Amino acid sequence: DTGVSQDPRHKITKRGQNVTFRCDPISEHNRLYWYRQTLGQGPEFLTYFQNEAQLEKSRLLSDRFSAERPKGSFSTLEIQRTEQGDSAMYLCASAPKQGTANYGYTFGSGTRLTVV
Amino acid sequence: EDKVVQSPLSLVVHEGDTVTLNCSYEVTNFRSLLWYKQEKKAPTFLFMLTSSGIEKKSGRLSSILDKKELFSILNITATQTGDSAVYLCAVEASKYGGSQGNLIFGKGTKLSVKP
Repeated sequence: DTGVSQDPRHKITKRGQNVTFRCDPISEHNRLYWYRQTLGQGPEFLTYFQNEAQLEKSRLLSDRFSAERPKGSFSTLEIQRTEQGDSAMYLCASAPKQGTANYGYTFGSGTRLTVV
Repeated sequence: EDKVVQSPLSLVVHEGDTVTLNCSYEVTNFRSLLWYKQEKKAPTFLFMLTSSGIEKKSGRLSSILDKKELFSILNITATQTGDSAVYLCAVEASKYGGSQGNLIFGKGTKLSVKP
């Protein structure tokens, strides 16, 4: 597998429930990003990992959101006590070490969350 | 606050037309500008631009960056129905001038190519 994988592809949940998404980046990539995209908007940055360290979090990431990247491989994004406003596409992207030849970010297909 | 503005937001053309999509930006600690094509799923990478005035080309698509005027354009010649998609412009900015960066996206231009 040479791409970024995200699971699940779709998730429908009731308001107040917790959900967890998984992202498996390209294995050689040490940088991993989470973005959120709503209809008619470009993706918005949520958080960034370099290896296992979470180096940056957006103001958009309320305390109901938590992300981890144990061992610097796959990452999980958990949303607790979901709200209808959390409904969006959650995109994961990975990128190689800066300065390497193939520098671009590669996105996964996303997890579409619907909170009812 | 860093921002990326794309225009137009939507565009309808006929097959064979040439289109120009615009992207302007205001960011601190600019590192690069990227173009992506998004068709319902993941954005797919088109170009990364770091230097002014150097055109990047891939088939019927080309792009150029002007770092003085803070904008980029994406040209598509001889459009085909398969070019219908949302085209996203993103600027990579590094925080505090350091090595880490993240992408700041515009809202995208929705291109519809009619047969």
